[in-house]
Formats: sequence, C-alpha cells, structure tokens
Amino acid sequence: AQKVTQAQTEISVVEKEDVTLDCVYETRDTTYYLFWYKQPPSGELVFLIRRNSFDEQNEISGRYSWNFQKSTSSFNFTITASQVVDSAVYFCALTDYSSASKIIFGSGTRLSIRP
Amino acid sequence: NAGVTQTPKFRILKIGQSMTLQCTQDMNHNYMYWYRQDPGMGLKLIYYSVGAGITDKGEVPNGYNVSRSTTEDFPLRLELAAPSQTSVYFCASSYDKQGGANQPQHFGDGTRLSIL
Repeated sequence: AQKVTQAQTEISVVEKEDVTLDCVYETRDTTYYLFWYKQPPSGELVFLIRRNSFDEQNEISGRYSWNFQKSTSSFNFTITASQVVDSAVYFCALTDYSSASKIIFGSGTRLSIRP
Repeated sequence: NAGVTQTPKFRILKIGQSMTLQCTQDMNHNYMYWYRQDPGMGLKLIYYSVGAGITDKGEVPNGYNVSRSTTEDFPLRLELAAPSQTSVYFCASSYDKQGGANQPQHFGDGTRLSIL
C-alpha cells in the first residue's frame, strides 16, 4: 500500500535559520511522482515541486531545495535562510503514474518561523 | 484567469440537511477532483472525474455524490449532512492525470463546512 509519512508534526525555528522537512514514502510502484505543497495560514494550497521516480537529481529553487533519495524512500525539503513568510503547513504527496485516484498526502508539517 | 473557483467559502449546516458545493474551472482541464481536509490532517480524495460525463470514487466517497455534465463544473453534493463531514473541502483540476506530463493540480481556495 502507498503511504506518506511526515514524522515532524511541528517545527519552530528563528528567522534566517535553515530548516529541513522530512518526507518518507512507501510504494510498490516503480513509476511514481512525489510532490510538495505549501498551505499558508490563508488556507489555499500552493504547488511547490513535482519529482518523478526516474529523476534523483536534487533540485534548487531560490531558498528551497529538495533531496530525493530512492534508496531511503525519502524526499526531504530544505528551506535556507528561513523567513517569516515561510510559516505554513507543508504537505508531501505521492501518486503513481497511471492512476488519477491514488494520490496520497502526508499529514503535514506545521512550520513556524519566529522573527 | 480565475482558475478554480469554489462557492461558498463558508457554510454551516444542520444534521440531515443537504447542500451542493460548487466548483468551476476556466482552464479547460479534463481532470477534476474533490478533497476533504480534516483538522491537522492531509487531504483525502473524495471523488474525481477524468472528463465530462465520467466520475469515479476516491478514498472517502461515502456520504457524497458528484456529477460532471460539463468540462467546467464539478459540483459535490452532500445528501444527509453528518457531523463527521465537518471539514474543509478543496476542489482541484488538472489538464492531465496526477503526475502526468503537464502541470499538476490547481486548487481552489476551499470551502469550510461545519455540520452542527
């Protein structure tokens, strides 16, 4: 069965610190996609990144970076030099390539950045 | 572009009442989805549609119905509201299936529903 685990329920750091959000997934599929979404206090869901199972290259987008490691079934998200605006709930999600229905979300990590 | 529009944004229902949550998208997306998000939890898929006239169950379909008569609209119906359906409901759309070659889902702003 597919499963996404975000073991960190809440994280609080001081502004400008680096912070890593962990995501561990389980799947029997060989082709799958992983996602990260941000949900700010206003409640909407904001897409951050999609990574397919064939591409293990790390990705960097500004202060955000993602580390995908198939060997440990992890897709961790790092924010460098955090800012107050980064405060949000972050969700990791998993879907197999062939299905429109099998998207599984983790329970989310609430990140608080203190000024 | 408006993207995905959900109405209403907030609603309080009494147990046993019925209502329809509206969702419309103006991006000509084939795929549409309804999720619910319970407090402190991730999203769970209720129903989805791969095109007009086609709908299918997701992970938690019980107590809900959907229809897809047009590409743009994908309403979600609660027939007999129960307290367990208190949640935030998100509608989403995508051109291709989740994880497909095209951009992933666009989400609406959510409908906060309370059943008392």
